[in-house]
Amino acid sequence: AQTVTQSQPEMSVQEAETVTLSCTYDTSESDYYLFWYKQPPSRQMILVIRQEAYKQQNATENRFSVNFQKAAKSFSLKISDSQLGDAAMYFCAYIRRSQGNLIFGKGTKLSVKP
Amino acid sequence: DAGVIQSPRHEVTEMGQEVTLRCKPISGHNSLFWYRQTMMRGLELLIYFNNNVPIDDSGMPEDRFSAKMPNASFSTLKIQPSEPRDSAVYFCASSTLTGIDEQFFGPGTRLTVL
Repeated sequence: AQTVTQSQPEMSVQEAETVTLSCTYDTSESDYYLFWYKQPPSRQMILVIRQEAYKQQNATENRFSVNFQKAAKSFSLKISDSQLGDAAMYFCAYIRRSQGNLIFGKGTKLSVKP
Repeated sequence: DAGVIQSPRHEVTEMGQEVTLRCKPISGHNSLFWYRQTMMRGLELLIYFNNNVPIDDSGMPEDRFSAKMPNASFSTLKIQPSEPRDSAVYFCASSTLTGIDEQFFGPGTRLTVL
């Protein structure tokens, strides 16, 4: 069975600095997708970034980028120039192409200090 | 587009009562997902539909839970009878048919069963 592990229950970063959130996953599949979702206190789930497993190039969205290491089954999220609005729960998620359901990690609570 | 719409946003009920949660997916999306979020178990898929047909309901906890999708623009999740352990936030999400594209989440329904 596929699993997603986020080993950092909580992280803290100073405003304007950079923080990296860790995620590892376990799968025997070769065709899958990985996501980072953000859940602010409003509880709305918001997609931050998406990575296709067949792409070697790391995905980037403005201040957000990933370090995708397929062999190591690692998918970390880097947030540059952290802003107060980045404070939220961040969930790493996996989906297999032949299935429709996202498998989520337990989440990392990110605090941003002014 | 209004996004995924869920109602009610909050529901408080007593043990043994029937609870019905409603979801309207984004127009044109063919896949619909019901997730449950609790502190203990995190985010879990309950069931998902493709073109109004249930594809995977292995996450439905027990027979007290049922879900329907009578048409492309409406789905319900029903709990009968409800129990205190059903207290959670229930999310509905929708995506294009493949399910590998972004899943757009609704705002969630916070259910409290007393």
